[in-house]
Amino acid sequence: EVQLVESGGGLVQPGGSLRLSCAASGFTFSSYWMSWVRQAPGKGLEWVANIKQDGSEKYYVDSVKGRFTISRDNAKNSLYLQMNSLRAEDTAVYYCAREGLGWPTDYWGQGTLVTVSS
Amino acid sequence: VIWMTQSPSLLSASTGDRVTISCRMSQGISSYLAWYQQKPGKAPELLIYAASTLQSGVPSRFSGSGSGTDFTLTISCLQSEDFATYYCQQYYSFPRTFGQGTKVEIK
Repeated sequence: EVQLVESGGGLVQPGGSLRLSCAASGFTFSSYWMSWVRQAPGKGLEWVANIKQDGSEKYYVDSVKGRFTISRDNAKNSLYLQMNSLRAEDTAVYYCAREGLGWPTDYWGQGTLVTVSS
Repeated sequence: VIWMTQSPSLLSASTGDRVTISCRMSQGISSYLAWYQQKPGKAPELLIYAASTLQSGVPSRFSGSGSGTDFTLTISCLQSEDFATYYCQQYYSFPRTFGQGTKVEIK
């Protein structure tokens, strides 16, 4: 059974940093692209970033470029999102998700809430 | 960036109704379109991919159609468990984008 478990969310002040983690199990982690998708309270889904199987390619939505960094550790079956210079508009539930090239986002974690507020 | 226009944003319907949700792309994406269902407090679940292929375990009352720029999700006979929010997503190019969502509520 595919499982994705996020951690690391919490309350952070504007301008602060936070690192999210996602532990994957139930599939061959190193064979899949992985992504982060977020959802602000009461709002729709926003794709944030993804990373290729070997980490050699990464893509970001414009609103987080230069502030967020996606990474992975295939030996630990883990995905990460380093978030710097956080803003109030980054407040959201962040989902870890599995996807592929030419393949949709097919499995999602339960999400972790990030709140940016003073 | 591929922009998506999903409509309607709110759909009021009754159990047993046939409902249709549309998704229009700013440029052609072949059939690289997926549909998701999300219930309050839960992660989205994949319903349909490649515009019309049902994900394993999804009831056959759900169907998808379209290619290029215009796509449709149809629920043929709405059940109580189908009241939720639905999103389309293109996975033709990066960044991947989602439609704004359609909330299907009880009439």
